[in-house]
Amino acid sequence: DAGVIQSPRHEVTEMGQEVTLRCKPISGHNSLFWYRQTMMRGLELLIYFNNNVPIDDSGMPEDRFSAKMPNASFSTLKIQPSEPRDSAVYFCASSPGTVEYEQYFGPGTRLTVT
Amino acid sequence: GENVEQHPSTLSVQEGDSAVIKCTYSDSASNYFPWYKQELGKRPQLIIDIRSNVGEKKDQRIAVTLNKTAKHFSLHITETQPEDSAVYFCAAIRAGYSTLTFGKGTMLLVSP
Repeated sequence: DAGVIQSPRHEVTEMGQEVTLRCKPISGHNSLFWYRQTMMRGLELLIYFNNNVPIDDSGMPEDRFSAKMPNASFSTLKIQPSEPRDSAVYFCASSPGTVEYEQYFGPGTRLTVT
Repeated sequence: GENVEQHPSTLSVQEGDSAVIKCTYSDSASNYFPWYKQELGKRPQLIIDIRSNVGEKKDQRIAVTLNKTAKHFSLHITETQPEDSAVYFCAAIRAGYSTLTFGKGTMLLVSP
């Protein structure tokens, strides 16, 4: 298995532009998570999907952030408009179980907003 | 909600020494405790985990202990090697839930 796949690996954009991050979970996993990692705040859970349905989006910073999971093999995280404080590494992770299961992380997308 | 505290934030050891990282959690309903290792520029990777029905688990040079009464768990690395240098994160999941609560991480530096 290729593991969790994320694209792009690096993204540099200007403030105000729309950014779309993509994730393909491990086949057969039914839970998907989006995290943001910064030096100041560590690893933060943004949103969690189970069977393609958003279960917990309490970590989404504000309305500029949105996430979708149209099918079991694809999810997107969109930031519109982007701001310099959104600069971070964004990780997608998937899990085989519904509860209390190990999570497998993708390689991450390093986002820089200038 | 759950709160996970991790100590120390940085740890420097000589190659061959042991390293111990400690975490405490607040929610007594938490029952799954994974540890992740993150090398510089890489993704967090699960290295060991423990569930609340056991007190200790070992995998070669790494071990994790859990004290449910005191609500703390620890990662033990023996015979450290330079390739053990990384940031280590502890985490906890509450029973019946899927979302991990992470500690802030410990940067481990193993000097040759």
